Amino acid sequence: DQQVKQNSPSLSVQEGRISILNCDYTNSMFDYFLWYKKYPAEGPTFLISISSIKDKNEDGRFTVFLNKSAKHLSLHIVPSQPGDSAVYFCAASDSGGSNYKLTFGKGTLLTVNP
Amino acid sequence: DADVTQTPRNRITKTGKRIMLECSQTKGHDRMYWYRQDPGLGLRLIYYSFDVKDINKGEISDGYSVSRQAQAKFSLSLESAIPNQTALYFCATQPTGAADTQYFGPGTRLTVL
Repeated sequence: DQQVKQNSPSLSVQEGRISILNCDYTNSMFDYFLWYKKYPAEGPTFLISISSIKDKNEDGRFTVFLNKSAKHLSLHIVPSQPGDSAVYFCAASDSGGSNYKLTFGKGTLLTVNP
Repeated sequence: DADVTQTPRNRITKTGKRIMLECSQTKGHDRMYWYRQDPGLGLRLIYYSFDVKDINKGEISDGYSVSRQAQAKFSLSLESAIPNQTALYFCATQPTGAADTQYFGPGTRLTVL
């Protein structure tokens, strides 16, 4: 059973607009969430994270929102740039039982059109 | 130089062959992981190691084995490769004892004919 779900396989936005990538999780023990970005022929690279004690974390153009009651998080990219075109993976961990092992979603391919 | 390196970067082999994928890191992290990525399936954990003497199975360990030769080296073996092991394989490292990110290598594209 998939514990981290990214229900949109792809998303296309115009340059300068907002990109919103969504992620849902089912395991209530997850308490740390991360977003990774992956370009073709490269490994995933860390983008931004959020602890369950927060509901928002911001880093430049990237903001992650966490809604624990809905078991939902989202990544906002504002403004979107063509260089943001990549696959974005949502990941979650349980600092207790799994000892920070990550469970990944299937990824969302973001295309930012000039 | 890259902090996490993987060799080979690409490999084509035949069914039944034994294959070893190697991972080396200079980050000094104790924790190392092997994942595979398949189209539409995301990243799935094969094996992980929290230190040199610790090896653990992930969610899809069948058909794979690993060896942690040193803190810096973690190898993944396919004892008898089969076509459904065709995938992208990633090694990752992580610092110990913190809710911290994992750092990924560039990946190995393995094709089993």
